[in-house]
Amino acid sequence: EAQVTQNPRYLITVTGKKLTVTCSQNMNHEYMSWYRQDPGLGLRQIYYSMNVEVTDKGDVPEGYKVSRKEKRNFPLILESPSPNQTSLYFCASSFPGGRSTDTQYFGPGTRLTVL
Amino acid sequence: AQSVTQLDSHVSVSEGTPVLLRCNYSSSYSPSLFWYVQHPNKGLQLLLKYTSAATLVKGINGFEAEFKKSETSFHLTKPSAHMSDAAEYFCVVSEWSPAMRFGAGTRLTVKP
Repeated sequence: EAQVTQNPRYLITVTGKKLTVTCSQNMNHEYMSWYRQDPGLGLRQIYYSMNVEVTDKGDVPEGYKVSRKEKRNFPLILESPSPNQTSLYFCASSFPGGRSTDTQYFGPGTRLTVL
Repeated sequence: AQSVTQLDSHVSVSEGTPVLLRCNYSSSYSPSLFWYVQHPNKGLQLLLKYTSAATLVKGINGFEAEFKKSETSFHLTKPSAHMSDAAEYFCVVSEWSPAMRFGAGTRLTVKP
């Protein structure tokens, strides 16, 4: 089954404790992205990747890191989480479409609480 | 720079009546536009997308949207609401892949 998976689905942590949220897709997509969803703000793009070793900042990259060492995986790293990073996080993947954007497939989401 | 504004944060309709969710966008180019739906405690599902072909786009579950360049709008409509349509809807603009900008969302309530 074609899908984007995220782990963990739920995470409660404390300020300053490094964490990684994994994202994996089995559709051989070149493009992958991370978003955070906050009430009243919709989804905001954190980082995106256009291929292995090619990443770029989205609209809200501060406090986050990403890496793309393999095509299928795109982990999100919070080196020193803070309470304002409490949010619902989504990973997404798609084929490249140039100016004509292809459909993004979203993972199920990771609910992160930072105390 | 691209941006998108969803004009209503909350829309309430009765079952069987039409649905209109409004979206305006701003872009320096000819963007792609999308509508996504998120049911409670669920992920996001693509309803429809406009990518410079026909200006009237038909999506899943009876939804459609019309791209109006002169008005920079991409409103989502459905002739007859169903209880299962209750969800949050997001309008999305993208000038180039994979950079995407989401609107703040419109919560649709359907009354019996």
